[in-house]
Amino acid sequence: KQEVTQIPAALSVPEGENLVLNCSFTDSAIYNLQWFRQDPGKGLTSLLLIQSSQREQTSGRLNASLDKSSGRSTLYIAASQPGDSATYLCAVRDAGKSTFGDGTTLTVKP
Amino acid sequence: DAGVTQSPTHLIKTRGQQVTLRCSPKSGHDTVSWYQQALGQGPQFIFQYYEEEERQRGNFPDRFSGHQFPNYSSELNVNALLLGDSALYLCASSFGTGGTEAFFGQGTRLTVV
Repeated sequence: KQEVTQIPAALSVPEGENLVLNCSFTDSAIYNLQWFRQDPGKGLTSLLLIQSSQREQTSGRLNASLDKSSGRSTLYIAASQPGDSATYLCAVRDAGKSTFGDGTTLTVKP
Repeated sequence: DAGVTQSPTHLIKTRGQQVTLRCSPKSGHDTVSWYQQALGQGPQFIFQYYEEEERQRGNFPDRFSGHQFPNYSSELNVNALLLGDSALYLCASSFGTGGTEAFFGQGTRLTVV
Protein backbone atom coordinates (compact mmCIF):
# COMPACT_ATOMS: atom_id res chain seq x y z
CA LYS A 1 0.00 0.00 0.00
CA GLN A 2 1.40 3.36 -1.07
CA GLU A 3 2.06 5.84 1.73
CA VAL A 4 3.05 9.46 1.23
CA THR A 5 4.65 11.59 3.93
CA GLN A 6 5.30 15.31 3.85
CA ILE A 7 7.78 17.03 6.12
CA PRO A 8 7.53 19.50 7.73
CA ALA A 9 3.81 19.69 8.53
CA ALA A 10 4.09 23.46 8.93
CA LEU A 11 6.69 26.05 8.02
CA SER A 12 6.92 29.78 8.71
CA VAL A 13 9.51 31.91 6.91
CA PRO A 14 10.17 35.61 6.33
CA GLU A 15 9.46 37.04 2.91
CA GLY A 16 12.27 36.59 0.41
CA GLU A 17 13.61 33.31 1.75
CA ASN A 18 14.19 30.29 -0.44
CA LEU A 19 12.63 27.12 0.95
CA VAL A 20 12.29 23.40 0.32
CA LEU A 21 9.29 21.19 0.97
CA ASN A 22 9.79 17.45 1.17
CA CYS A 23 7.67 14.51 0.06
CA SER A 24 8.49 10.82 0.44
CA PHE A 25 6.63 7.77 -0.80
CA THR A 26 6.99 4.06 -0.09
CA ASP A 27 6.30 2.41 -3.47
CA SER A 28 8.46 3.56 -6.38
CA ALA A 29 6.12 2.04 -8.99
CA ILE A 30 4.48 5.35 -9.86
CA TYR A 31 3.45 6.96 -13.11
CA ASN A 32 3.95 10.53 -11.99
CA LEU A 33 4.14 12.85 -9.01
CA GLN A 34 2.22 16.09 -8.76
CA TRP A 35 2.51 19.09 -6.46
CA PHE A 36 -0.63 21.04 -5.60
CA ARG A 37 -1.41 24.23 -3.77
CA GLN A 38 -4.53 24.53 -1.62
CA ASP A 39 -5.80 27.77 -0.12
CA PRO A 40 -8.02 27.54 2.98
CA GLY A 41 -11.46 26.16 2.14
CA LYS A 42 -10.62 25.88 -1.55
CA GLY A 43 -9.89 23.12 -4.06
CA LEU A 44 -6.56 21.98 -5.46
CA THR A 45 -4.44 24.04 -7.84
CA SER A 46 -1.90 22.00 -9.79
CA LEU A 47 1.61 23.47 -9.64
CA LEU A 48 3.92 20.95 -11.25
CA LEU A 49 3.67 17.44 -12.68
CA ILE A 50 6.75 15.23 -12.96
CA GLN A 51 6.47 12.08 -15.04
CA SER A 52 8.21 9.01 -13.63
CA SER A 53 10.89 9.22 -16.33
CA GLN A 54 11.74 12.84 -15.48
CA ARG A 55 14.02 14.20 -12.80
CA GLU A 56 12.64 17.71 -12.41
CA GLN A 57 10.20 20.32 -13.60
CA THR A 58 10.30 24.09 -13.31
CA SER A 59 7.63 26.76 -13.42
CA GLY A 60 8.59 30.32 -12.55
CA ARG A 61 9.91 30.42 -8.99
CA LEU A 62 9.02 26.74 -8.44
CA ASN A 63 11.22 23.74 -9.07
CA ALA A 64 10.25 20.18 -8.28
CA SER A 65 12.58 17.21 -8.34
CA LEU A 66 11.90 13.50 -8.31
CA ASP A 67 14.14 10.63 -7.23
CA LYS A 68 11.96 7.63 -7.83
CA SER A 69 14.50 5.06 -6.66
CA SER A 70 14.72 6.63 -3.22
CA GLY A 71 11.04 7.57 -3.07
CA ARG A 72 11.61 11.30 -2.63
CA SER A 73 10.53 14.56 -4.17
CA THR A 74 11.26 18.14 -3.23
CA LEU A 75 9.51 21.38 -4.08
CA TYR A 76 11.83 24.37 -4.09
CA ILE A 77 10.29 27.83 -3.82
CA ALA A 78 12.60 30.73 -4.60
CA ALA A 79 12.23 34.23 -3.17
CA SER A 80 9.08 33.43 -1.21
CA GLN A 81 6.24 35.96 -1.08
CA PRO A 82 3.28 36.38 1.32
CA GLY A 83 1.03 35.24 -1.54
CA ASP A 84 2.76 31.86 -1.43
CA SER A 85 1.11 31.19 1.94
CA ALA A 86 -1.01 28.05 1.49
CA THR A 87 -0.94 24.31 2.04
CA TYR A 88 1.21 22.38 -0.42
CA LEU A 89 0.26 18.79 -1.18
CA CYS A 90 2.16 16.16 -3.10
CA ALA A 91 0.42 13.23 -4.75
CA VAL A 92 1.84 10.13 -6.40
CA ARG A 93 -0.15 8.47 -9.13
CA ASP A 94 -0.24 4.76 -9.82
CA ALA A 95 -2.65 2.93 -12.11
CA GLY A 96 -5.78 4.95 -11.72
CA LYS A 97 -5.54 6.72 -8.42
CA SER A 98 -3.58 9.38 -6.59
CA THR A 99 -2.23 8.97 -3.08
CA PHE A 100 -1.72 12.23 -1.21
CA GLY A 101 0.36 13.35 1.70
CA ASP A 102 -1.24 15.47 4.41
CA GLY A 103 0.51 18.59 3.17
CA THR A 104 2.86 21.27 4.41
CA THR A 105 1.23 24.51 5.56
CA LEU A 106 3.46 27.41 4.56
CA THR A 107 3.24 30.88 6.06
CA VAL A 108 5.36 33.62 4.52
CA LYS A 109 5.59 36.66 6.79
CA PRO A 110 5.92 40.15 5.26
CA ASP B 1 -12.49 24.23 -21.84
CA ALA B 2 -14.38 24.41 -18.55
CA GLY B 3 -12.16 21.86 -16.86
CA VAL B 4 -13.64 19.64 -14.18
CA THR B 5 -16.85 21.04 -12.74
CA GLN B 6 -18.57 19.96 -9.55
CA SER B 7 -21.95 20.80 -8.11
CA PRO B 8 -23.10 21.98 -5.71
CA THR B 9 -20.22 23.94 -4.18
CA HIS B 10 -21.62 23.77 -0.66
CA LEU B 11 -24.21 21.54 0.97
CA ILE B 12 -25.61 21.13 4.46
CA LYS B 13 -27.35 17.87 5.37
CA THR B 14 -28.76 16.32 8.52
CA ARG B 15 -27.35 13.15 10.01
CA GLY B 16 -29.07 10.09 8.51
CA GLN B 17 -29.97 11.78 5.23
CA GLN B 18 -28.69 10.91 1.80
CA VAL B 19 -26.71 13.17 -0.53
CA THR B 20 -25.75 13.19 -4.22
CA LEU B 21 -22.77 15.10 -5.55
CA ARG B 22 -22.13 15.64 -9.25
CA CYS B 23 -19.06 15.92 -11.44
CA SER B 24 -18.50 16.72 -15.11
CA PRO B 25 -15.06 15.69 -16.38
CA LYS B 26 -12.69 17.76 -18.44
CA SER B 27 -13.39 17.55 -22.16
CA GLY B 28 -11.76 14.44 -23.67
CA HIS B 29 -11.55 12.59 -20.35
CA ASP B 30 -13.41 9.33 -19.77
CA THR B 31 -12.41 8.40 -16.22
CA VAL B 32 -13.68 9.96 -13.01
CA SER B 33 -12.34 9.44 -9.51
CA TRP B 34 -13.71 10.74 -6.22
CA TYR B 35 -11.77 11.79 -3.14
CA GLN B 36 -12.73 12.80 0.39
CA GLN B 37 -10.65 15.43 2.16
CA ALA B 38 -11.23 15.84 5.88
CA LEU B 39 -10.03 19.00 7.58
CA GLY B 40 -6.27 19.07 7.98
CA GLN B 41 -5.68 15.92 5.94
CA GLY B 42 -4.82 15.05 2.40
CA PRO B 43 -7.51 13.75 0.04
CA GLN B 44 -8.36 10.06 0.37
CA PHE B 45 -9.34 7.97 -2.68
CA ILE B 46 -12.95 6.76 -2.62
CA PHE B 47 -13.39 5.09 -6.00
CA GLN B 48 -12.84 5.34 -9.74
CA TYR B 49 -15.32 4.99 -12.59
CA TYR B 50 -14.47 4.02 -16.14
CA GLU B 51 -16.81 2.77 -18.85
CA GLU B 52 -19.71 3.23 -16.41
CA GLU B 53 -18.25 0.70 -13.95
CA GLU B 54 -16.48 1.03 -10.63
CA ARG B 55 -12.90 -0.03 -11.34
CA GLN B 56 -11.09 0.64 -8.08
CA ARG B 57 -12.24 1.37 -4.58
CA GLY B 58 -10.53 2.77 -1.53
CA ASN B 59 -11.25 1.94 2.08
CA PHE B 60 -14.76 3.39 2.27
CA PRO B 61 -17.97 1.67 3.42
CA ASP B 62 -20.79 0.65 1.12
CA ARG B 63 -22.70 3.77 2.15
CA PHE B 64 -20.56 5.45 -0.49
CA SER B 65 -21.67 4.56 -4.00
CA GLY B 66 -21.36 6.09 -7.39
CA HIS B 67 -22.45 6.11 -10.95
CA GLN B 68 -21.01 7.11 -14.28
CA PHE B 69 -23.19 8.14 -17.19
CA PRO B 70 -22.61 7.56 -20.93
CA ASN B 71 -21.39 11.16 -21.27
CA TYR B 72 -18.69 10.33 -18.64
CA SER B 73 -20.16 12.55 -15.95
CA SER B 74 -20.45 11.00 -12.52
CA GLU B 75 -22.37 11.09 -9.26
CA LEU B 76 -21.25 10.27 -5.75
CA ASN B 77 -24.00 9.12 -3.39
CA VAL B 78 -23.62 8.86 0.35
CA ASN B 79 -26.38 7.21 2.38
CA ALA B 80 -27.10 7.38 6.12
CA LEU B 81 -24.88 10.41 6.59
CA LEU B 82 -22.70 10.58 9.68
CA LEU B 83 -21.16 13.66 11.25
CA GLY B 84 -17.79 12.26 10.20
CA ASP B 85 -18.78 12.48 6.54
CA SER B 86 -18.37 16.24 6.73
CA ALA B 87 -15.52 16.99 4.33
CA LEU B 88 -14.51 18.47 1.00
CA TYR B 89 -15.34 16.01 -1.78
CA LEU B 90 -13.11 16.29 -4.82
CA CYS B 91 -13.66 14.88 -8.26
CA ALA B 92 -10.77 14.18 -10.63
CA SER B 93 -10.90 13.28 -14.29
CA SER B 94 -8.32 11.63 -16.54
CA PHE B 95 -8.04 9.72 -19.78
CA GLY B 96 -8.04 5.95 -19.31
CA THR B 97 -7.28 4.03 -16.15
CA GLY B 98 -3.49 4.26 -16.28
CA GLY B 99 -1.30 6.96 -14.88
CA THR B 100 -2.21 9.89 -17.07
CA GLU B 101 -2.46 13.29 -15.40
CA ALA B 102 -5.52 13.83 -13.24
CA PHE B 103 -7.30 17.17 -13.21
CA PHE B 104 -9.24 18.13 -10.11
CA GLY B 105 -12.42 20.11 -9.64
CA GLN B 106 -12.86 22.73 -6.94
CA GLY B 107 -14.82 20.38 -4.73
CA THR B 108 -18.11 20.21 -2.87
CA ARG B 109 -18.04 21.16 0.79
CA LEU B 110 -20.44 18.85 2.65
CA THR B 111 -21.43 19.68 6.20
CA VAL B 112 -23.44 17.13 8.17
CA VAL B 113 -25.24 18.50 11.23
